[in-house]
Amino acid sequence: DGGITQSPKYLFRKEGQNVTLSCEQNLNHDAMYWYRQDPGQGLRLIYYSQIVNDFQKGDIAEGYSVSREKKESFPLTVTSAQKNPTAFYLCASSTRTGTGNEQFFGPGTRLTVL
Amino acid sequence: QKEVEQDPGPLSVPEGAIVSLNCTYSNSAFQYFMWYRQYSRKGPELLMYTYSSGNKEDGRFTAQVDKSSKYISLFIRDSQPSDSATYLCARHTGANSKLTFGKGITLSVRP
Repeated sequence: DGGITQSPKYLFRKEGQNVTLSCEQNLNHDAMYWYRQDPGQGLRLIYYSQIVNDFQKGDIAEGYSVSREKKESFPLTVTSAQKNPTAFYLCASSTRTGTGNEQFFGPGTRLTVL
Repeated sequence: QKEVEQDPGPLSVPEGAIVSLNCTYSNSAFQYFMWYRQYSRKGPELLMYTYSSGNKEDGRFTAQVDKSSKYISLFIRDSQPSDSATYLCARHTGANSKLTFGKGITLSVRP
């Protein structure tokens, strides 16, 4: 089955620790995205990548880092510099950049800082 | 002013009701609009996608865009309890693939 997988589903972190969220897609999509969702806030874009070995900051990139070494994978690291990391994190991918693309979402990772 | 405004609700209706979900947007330069449905603790799924003014119908769902008033709407006919979810409107920038989302409205359809 084609799709987007995110792991783990739930993640707990102590303050001061870095954690990495996994996102893998087998849809052969060029573009991938990371969003953060907080209650009543909708989705906010953290980082996105239109091609391997290239990525751009979204609206709330501070305290996060990404890499795009493979087309299928776009891991997100939540660093200790992120002051309020508890949230629901969603990864998405799309077939092409530019106008009219449809983004497909993974099931999400819920991160809780203890 | 936020680029996409959506009434956060929540909204509760009886089964069989016609539901109207609405968003407004502030920039008239972009033409692609989407509605996503998100069940609790799940990722959003694309429900409707339109890129012009007028109506687009898919089963019980109709997406409407009124560019003159910068208003986008999603209508659900004969609503079912399985329609209970959060609905997110989104606008595509067209320039570099970014979507701008509304905050979402949570719909509950009572049996």
